[in-house]
Amino acid sequence: ETGVTQTPRHLVMGMTNKKSLKCEQHLGHNAMYWYKQSAKKPLELMFVYNFKEQTENNSVPSRFSPECPNSSHLFLHLHTLQPEDSALYLCASSRTSGGAGELFFGEGSRLTVL
Amino acid sequence: EDQVTQSPEALRLQEGESSSLNCSYTVSGLRGLFWYRQDPGKGPEFLFTLYSAGEEKEKERLKATLTKKESFLHITAPKPEDSATYLCAVQAYETSGSRLTFGEGTQLTVNP
Repeated sequence: ETGVTQTPRHLVMGMTNKKSLKCEQHLGHNAMYWYKQSAKKPLELMFVYNFKEQTENNSVPSRFSPECPNSSHLFLHLHTLQPEDSALYLCASSRTSGGAGELFFGEGSRLTVL
Repeated sequence: EDQVTQSPEALRLQEGESSSLNCSYTVSGLRGLFWYRQDPGKGPEFLFTLYSAGEEKEKERLKATLTKKESFLHITAPKPEDSATYLCAVQAYETSGSRLTFGEGTQLTVNP
C-alpha cells in the first residue's frame, strides 16, 4: 500500500468513448503527476500539478484532459483516444513538485483502446 | 537533453548469485539519481536517492553507488523475491524540479 490509489485498474474503451481515470493520495502531498508507461519505453511524464495548479504539460494531445480539484485528487479525462494510447497510466505524488524526485506511485490504470 | 541508459535489458540470476545493474546518464547538472523497483502490474516503488559522486546507499541485499557518469545497483545473494524491473531516473537542476528522466529498466529474474 503506497498511499496512492488509482481507479479503475483496468479500462477498455472504444475510440469514440469518454472515460475518466481517478487518483487519490492519502500522504498529505501537494504535488501530483500523471505518467504514461508503454511497453519497451521509459516512463513519460504527462502532467504535473502543484498545489492544484498545473505546472507542466509535456506536449500531451488534447484528447487527454487532466483535472485537479484539490491536492489529494487527480483525474485524467479521456476522449476520442487512439489505439496507440493503450498503455499503463500511472499517478504519482510528492511533497512538492520543486523538490527531490521521491515519487510515490499508484498501481496504475491499464488502458486498452480498441 | 537528459538521457538515461540502463543495462542489461534483462538479467537472469540463480538464487545467491550476486551481480550489478548499470545506469549510465547524461545530464546538464545532476540534482539527483533515483532507483525504483517495479513489480509486474504495479507502479514503481522508490528505493534510493543519490545526490553526488561517491555516495552509496544500502537496503537489505541492494546497494546503490554513484559516479559522475553512471550508477550501479549491486544485488548481493539475491532471492527470488528480488525479481522485478529496476528503473533508474535522473533529475537535473536546469529543468523543472518535477521532471524525472527515466531509463527503460532492467528486468531481473532470480531463479530458486
